[in-house]
Amino acid sequence: GENVEQHPSTLSVQEGDSAVIKCTYSDSASNYFPWYKQELGKRPQLIIDIRSNVGEKKDQRIAVTLNKTAKHFSLHITETQPEDSAVYFCAAKWPGNQFYFGTGTSLTVIP
Amino acid sequence: NAGVTQTPKFQVLKTGQSMTLQCAQDMNHNSMYWYRQDPGMGLRLIYYSASEGTTDKGEVPNGYNVSRLNKREFSLRLESAAPSQTSVYFCASIPTSGGTDTQYFGPGTRLTVL
Repeated sequence: GENVEQHPSTLSVQEGDSAVIKCTYSDSASNYFPWYKQELGKRPQLIIDIRSNVGEKKDQRIAVTLNKTAKHFSLHITETQPEDSAVYFCAAKWPGNQFYFGTGTSLTVIP
Repeated sequence: NAGVTQTPKFQVLKTGQSMTLQCAQDMNHNSMYWYRQDPGMGLRLIYYSASEGTTDKGEVPNGYNVSRLNKREFSLRLESAAPSQTSVYFCASIPTSGGTDTQYFGPGTRLTVL
């Protein structure tokens, strides 16, 4: 199966600064890489995703980059706001439709 | 359009009791999933169903059974609950057609086994 590692496990940034979360995966057959935001007591919500044939994708203050050769992908949040505080999860999808998740990053944006 | 629904929201069981967690989606999605989420562990796949009538084991299937009753419903059964199964359980679905792999999650079931 796939193995997804996520770093860091906790991250604190000042409001307005950027935040970067990194994930690595083990199986080069994985072809889809979503990022989820989860607030306390809520369900995970998709915030951005990228397919294996794309190197970068951006949506306003959020961007994801993928390096297939190195088997890692990163989430970039710019101009962070207090409402960005949450737990963020990366995931990798195997061709067999199975998803493997990272262990999460707790992001705190300090006003 | 309710999306993905789960029942119950909360449940407390004693060791050895059985129960079934229900999940339904009204988006005509083909694939459905059951995950458990433990502190510091992320989401781990228990079972999934690529289509009506098929089910497959995920990373952590031991102690669970599933049933894909029809295209809408995918249930998870604990035959003899153990304290190690205390967790938050999420159901999810994806279309598997139309070029999207976006997972839609239900609100979760918080299960405590005493």
